[in-house]
Amino acid sequence: DIQMTQSPSTLSASVGDRVTITCRASQTISYWLAWYQQKPGKAPKLLIYKASSLESGVPSRFSGSGSGTEFTLTISSLQPDDFATYYCQQYNVYSRTFGQGTRVEI
Amino acid sequence: QLQLQESGPGLVKPSETLSLTCTVSGGSISSTSYYWGWIRQPPGKGLEWIGTIFYNGDTYYNPSLKSRVTMSVDTSKNQFSLKLSSVTAADTAVYYCARQKVTVGGDDYWGQGTLVIVSS
Repeated sequence: DIQMTQSPSTLSASVGDRVTITCRASQTISYWLAWYQQKPGKAPKLLIYKASSLESGVPSRFSGSGSGTEFTLTISSLQPDDFATYYCQQYNVYSRTFGQGTRVEI
Repeated sequence: QLQLQESGPGLVKPSETLSLTCTVSGGSISSTSYYWGWIRQPPGKGLEWIGTIFYNGDTYYNPSLKSRVTMSVDTSKNQFSLKLSSVTAADTAVYYCARQKVTVGGDDYWGQGTLVIVSS
């Protein structure tokens, strides 16, 4: 099984900050990685797919990078609506695995 | 606008089988461009992939749940379903259904989620 490890688990930041979340895979996954945002009581929302492709309708302050085993999600200027929990997910035809999540708090 | 809606009992007894259905509206479940999946989230915890099904019935399951999971699809009703047998309190979670893009990946549409509690 492919394991996904996110860091940090919790991140304290302020509006306007540049924020970076890291996700590491236990084996190479090429660029088959997605990032999601989840707010309390809501379903996750897809932000990034294929490591760096921005989902339609997602603000351009969100960006993703990486390949192989190391990936990052960057929020260029944190907005009040961005305080949430973020998950990475590796995917292929046969399996998917989520990271444990990163909570971004004020 | 595509919508997914989970339905099923909110309370299941230990050792019994959890059964949920996801109804898809605003799009066809028979599209070759998408997989359909189930994901769950125990209260206060992270997301766990349960399994994925294609319109033709091909299934892929989380190895940790594989012995207890069965997924099926009903293209005539535009629905897909989940059965999880021999449930315990550890299976208490919000269960989500989602659409998964085949070529580029990512789960782009999700249901609102349904809480299933395992308790006697």
